[in-house]
Amino acid sequence: SQQGEEDPQALSIQEGENATMNCSYKTSINNLQWYRQNSGRGLVHLILIRSNEREKHSGRLRVTLDTSKKSSSLLITASRAADTASYFCATDGGGADGLTFGKGTHLIIQP
Amino acid sequence: DTAVSQTPKYLVTQMGNDKSIKCEQNLGHDTMYWYKQDSKKFLKIMFSYNNKELIINETVPNRFSPKSPDKAHLNLHINSLELGDSAVYFCASSPTSTGDTQYFGPGTRLTVL
Repeated sequence: SQQGEEDPQALSIQEGENATMNCSYKTSINNLQWYRQNSGRGLVHLILIRSNEREKHSGRLRVTLDTSKKSSSLLITASRAADTASYFCATDGGGADGLTFGKGTHLIIQP
Repeated sequence: DTAVSQTPKYLVTQMGNDKSIKCEQNLGHDTMYWYKQDSKKFLKIMFSYNNKELIINETVPNRFSPKSPDKAHLNLHINSLELGDSAVYFCASSPTSTGDTQYFGPGTRLTVL
């Protein structure tokens, strides 16, 4: 099964800086999604990028997708303390087998 | 209004017991899921139901059985609980079964003693 792998596993930056997280996967995809999980809470969907898209924006979020390299990146600009959370990429293969999640990047924003 | 709700939020029980976790979604979605998140935060899909039919059954022990009384509910029943079952279990739903955004419940932290 395809497996998303996030990099880095943990990231600590100062408030106001930009945070970049990367995700790699193994097989072809229909779309790739990013989710955020605050400590002790459920996952919240952030953004979905389809296999025929290369870049997508949503507020302070920018996602890129390179299907030739089987990788995606999530950029959070002008980070805030409230952005502290774990971020997961998830791939959809287009079938009925749902999403496959990576291991996540734990982001800490230092005030 | 809560979109996807789970009960209980915390569940502490002894090895060998049988327990259930309930999930309800009020989004009108066709597909519901159960995920297990281990201590390292790895999230793995266990089951999904589409219009009351099981469409995924990952390699989970048959001690775990999903039960869906209707499209809005997908409960998880666990027999003969083991220490390794300790984890956080998340319910989720999506409009269809093919790659839509998923909406997650708040999770149920299961601790088996």
